[in-house]
Amino acid sequence: AQSVTQPDIHITVSEGASLELRCNYSYGATPYLFWYVQSPGQGLQLLLKYFSGDTLVQGIKGFEAEFKRSQSSFNLRKPSVHWSDAAEYFCAVGERNTGNQFYFGTGTSLTVIP
Amino acid sequence: DVKVTQSSRYLVKRTGEKVFLECVQDMDHENMFWYRQDPGLGLRLIYFSYDVKMKEKGDIPEGYSVSREKKERFSLILESASTNQTSMYLCASSYRGQGQYFGPGTRLTVT
Repeated sequence: AQSVTQPDIHITVSEGASLELRCNYSYGATPYLFWYVQSPGQGLQLLLKYFSGDTLVQGIKGFEAEFKRSQSSFNLRKPSVHWSDAAEYFCAVGERNTGNQFYFGTGTSLTVIP
Repeated sequence: DVKVTQSSRYLVKRTGEKVFLECVQDMDHENMFWYRQDPGLGLRLIYFSYDVKMKEKGDIPEGYSVSREKKERFSLILESASTNQTSMYLCASSYRGQGQYFGPGTRLTVT
């Protein structure tokens, strides 16, 4: 069965520090991969996506993610975190064939310390 | 930019009432989704639709129904609201598998 694991429920970093949020997935083939961000009381916003090709993808707000097939991982990174990055982050996989099945991790909550 | 709008940001209803949550997208996406989000449980899919008048049950369809009469509009219906349906409801649309675009959410409280 397809599943997405975000092992870190909550992460705290200092402003200006680097960030890495982990995501592992279980899927029969290479899925579409996504990261979303959710600010309090808001919907989810698509940060970046991977379909194929270059395994390092750039997204909005200075985020990037790297697809590692051998590890079934798609970790999100940012070199220098800003206070406004405090939010909930969700990793998701999408099914390629029909394109209408998506599976989400349970999210990682990011706190940024001034 | 894709825009997904939901009819209400906050809604308070009484137990037993029929509740309609409306979602509209403006990008001609064929797929639309309804999720509920609860602390510690993440996003759970209630229903999705891949075409007008077509629907598929998600993980937690019990107590809900949906309607999609026009491509841009996907409605979630709580036939008889109960307190355990108090939650944040998120609508999304997508073009094939190329990522979902979410609305701002409706926080529903059932008293």
